[in-house]
Amino acid sequence: KQEVTQIPAALSVPEGENLVLNCSFTDSAIYNLQWFRQDPGKGLTSLLLIQSSQREQTSGRLNASLDKSSGRSTLYIAASQPGDSATYLCAVLDAGNMLTFGGGTRLMVKP
Amino acid sequence: NAGVMQNPRHLVRRRGQEARLRCSPMKGHSHVYWYRQLPEEGLKFMVYLQKENIIDESGMPKERFSAEFPKEGPSILRIQQVVRGDSAAYFCASSPLQATNTGELFFGEGSRLTVL
Repeated sequence: KQEVTQIPAALSVPEGENLVLNCSFTDSAIYNLQWFRQDPGKGLTSLLLIQSSQREQTSGRLNASLDKSSGRSTLYIAASQPGDSATYLCAVLDAGNMLTFGGGTRLMVKP
Repeated sequence: NAGVMQNPRHLVRRRGQEARLRCSPMKGHSHVYWYRQLPEEGLKFMVYLQKENIIDESGMPKERFSAEFPKEGPSILRIQQVVRGDSAAYFCASSPLQATNTGELFFGEGSRLTVL
């Protein structure tokens, strides 16, 4: 059974810092890995999707990497802003069409 | 092309009542997934359905919970005799084919159930 873990569970940083969120998964037989953003009381916003054959994806100040063999992904946020404050969720899609989520990292960026 | 539509967005029920949550997938999508998010937790898979078929219900509690996706109309997640522990956000996602064919699921805004 796939298990996805996100570290840290919560993070508070001053505005402008570069930061890294970590995601690990136990079964490396995945189709893709996706990072989502969730604001309090809201739905999910897809940020980046990395196919299993890819090593990284970039969108603006966000960069996500994938090391499938070691079961790890990182989400790098450059020059963080207060508007980046949210919960970030990592999810992996496996061969059973199952999308398994991590517990999330709650990010607070202070002005 | 409207996204995945869930309703109601907020639902309040008293213990013992029934809750019905509806999900209309994106146009052309025939695969629906339901997830539950308890307070301060990640999303947990509940059930995966295609039109008129339950494909995987391994995450669904054995009692009181049921799901359907009829040939016509939205997918329904039904919770009978709700208890306070059922209070959560319930998210629906859809895909046009098997998720592993397209690589992506599209999520709705969620239905937030509060049991008093």
